[in-house]
Order: sequence, then C-alpha cells, then structure tokens
Amino acid sequence: EPEVTQTPSHQVTQMGQEVILRCVPISNHLYFYWYRQILGQKVEFLVSFYNNEISEKSEIFDDQFSVERPDGSNFTLKIRSTKLEDSAMYFCASRGDTENQPQHFGDGTRLSIL
Amino acid sequence: AQSVTQLGSHVSVSEGALVLLRCNYSSSVPPYLFWYVQYPNQGLQLLLKYTTGATLVKGINGFEAEFKKSETSFHLTKPSAHMSDAAEYFCAVSDESYIPTFGRGTSLIVHP
Repeated sequence: EPEVTQTPSHQVTQMGQEVILRCVPISNHLYFYWYRQILGQKVEFLVSFYNNEISEKSEIFDDQFSVERPDGSNFTLKIRSTKLEDSAMYFCASRGDTENQPQHFGDGTRLSIL
Repeated sequence: AQSVTQLGSHVSVSEGALVLLRCNYSSSVPPYLFWYVQYPNQGLQLLLKYTTGATLVKGINGFEAEFKKSETSFHLTKPSAHMSDAAEYFCAVSDESYIPTFGRGTSLIVHP
C-alpha cells in the first residue's frame, strides 16, 4: 500500500536556525497537510495545501512557517528561525480528491530545538 | 467550531477483555468522525471513520464505533483486547474540509 514518507525521522537544530522538513505524499493525492504534536499534547493542524497554494492555516502557522511543493513529489515545511517551543513531532498527511477520502499520515519528524 | 473530548488519558484492560474508549464531540455542522491509532514512533493510522449512513462503523483490527447523535458520542470498542492493541488512540472530528480536530488521545494498556 502506498505510504506518505517523511525525512528526516529526527532533526536536531540550534535555536534561531532554519529547518526544512520534507515529505513525499502519496503520488496521486492532491491535498497535503502539516500537523504538529508537542510532547504529551494533542495533534494540532498547521496548514493545508491544494493546487499549489495554501487553502487553510491555523493560528500556529505564523510568518516563521512556510510550505512549498518544489517539484512534483516533495512537500516541505520550513521554519525560518526556530524557537525552543517549536520542538515537536511534525506529521505530514495527504489525501485524494474523491469523496470521503481520509488523510494518510507519515511517521513524522521529531524536531528538537536546542 | 469543533472539539473533541476523550475521557481518560489512560485505559488499562486485560488481554481478552472488552475495550471501550470514550469520545464526545462538539460540532456546529454535521460531523465527520474518525478514530486514529498511533503506535510508538509511528504516524497516525486511520482505524475507522463515520461520514454519513450507517451509524455503526466497523474498522480495521476488529474495532468498531457507533455514532450517537443524541449523545454526541463516538465511542470505540473491541470485544477482545490483544497485546498488539496497546497504542495511543485519537478521536477526531471534522467538517467537509476533512481537516480533523483531534482529541488529546487515550493510551490503551493491555495486560497479559
């Protein structure tokens, strides 16, 4: 069964540095998402992306965050100047466009900000 | 606005016993409801979903859930727990956007 893949599985970064988290969605999917899960807390929606533009974003997704689909396969989340509170698991998800299709999640990237 | 409440951050059962994980939701529109499972160091895997139609929904690994509109509930059950069921379970609600709002999760512990 096709999977959403995320790299790296663990990223350690100094505070203030830029970080890029990468995702390869399922190939025929058209909707893409990023979520984060701070340790011990619930999974929170960050942003959704469709037709090469952001379709929805949450309050968490401020100016330090950006998303991009640089080619036909990758979907990236960039955090421009990381803060300690950005430490979390970041999940990518994708969905097809037929009715009632659920989202398929990747295994996540654990981001640790030092 | 939508929200999900999962009662009990931890549920402990013996192998072979009934599993019941509780979920109540709040939604201003007809809800789409989901249960996801998260095994250690893995992403979220969809167990089952309710969108329309039959209110008793069967999912993978022997799990099922029933949508009860009058109780705004979507509890997850499994007749007989297996050791491999030990994981974190998340209930979620969405509207037609399919962007789920997750509950805080319930950790299922299965004792031999």
